[in-house]
Amino acid sequence: RKEVEQDPGPFNVPEGATVAFNCTYSNSASQSFFWYRQDCRKEPKLLMSVYSSGNEDGRFTAQLNRASQYISLLIRDSKLSDSATYLCVVNPTGGFKTIFGAGTRLFVKA
Amino acid sequence: ETGVTQSPTHLIKTRGQQVTLRCSSQSGHNTVSWYQQALGQGPQFIFQYYREEENGRGNFPPRFSGLQFPNYSSELNVNALELDDSALYLCASSLKTELNNEQFFGPGTRLTVL
Repeated sequence: RKEVEQDPGPFNVPEGATVAFNCTYSNSASQSFFWYRQDCRKEPKLLMSVYSSGNEDGRFTAQLNRASQYISLLIRDSKLSDSATYLCVVNPTGGFKTIFGAGTRLFVKA
Repeated sequence: ETGVTQSPTHLIKTRGQQVTLRCSSQSGHNTVSWYQQALGQGPQFIFQYYREEENGRGNFPPRFSGLQFPNYSSELNVNALELDDSALYLCASSLKTELNNEQFFGPGTRLTVL
């Protein structure tokens, strides 16, 4: 079992749609969780951290479920500019090793 | 922009050669992590440097080595290059804390091994 697993997609959605990504992790001791966005042939950029209480930033909502060991990202009112790969990131110990999922590809169509 | 820079942008080498990649961290950051990202995959952790010492390592062979300098910039060295080393190499800088490990990535170096 991979340490961090994501649905690879791709997800093809029309503008204005709501789309949700899930990510599961295997290490129950994991402490820090993030979603990064990566555009084609570019570096990953932090989208948002994921807190135990959940957090929201505009159209984006992140949730953490420790009992089931998964995190989620919800994008509402999708824009063309949301087209990218979304990477789930887990820090198992709060220390040095950061584990990335393989990413979920999102295409938003006009 | 993150303030993290990497050089060179692109590099072509042949099998068996050695390569050095460079990274300048964001001002105020004391930690640099290196990642290898193969096409269609997520970044894979190579190692991390904190205050000039290796702070942890992923599943990469010893021919992958690194350095961090007093100004917190860093180098990644790869010896005896193999075809499978062709990838995007990313460095990320952060301020090492216990709870917050948000990382800021440089634009990467795309290495092609022929």
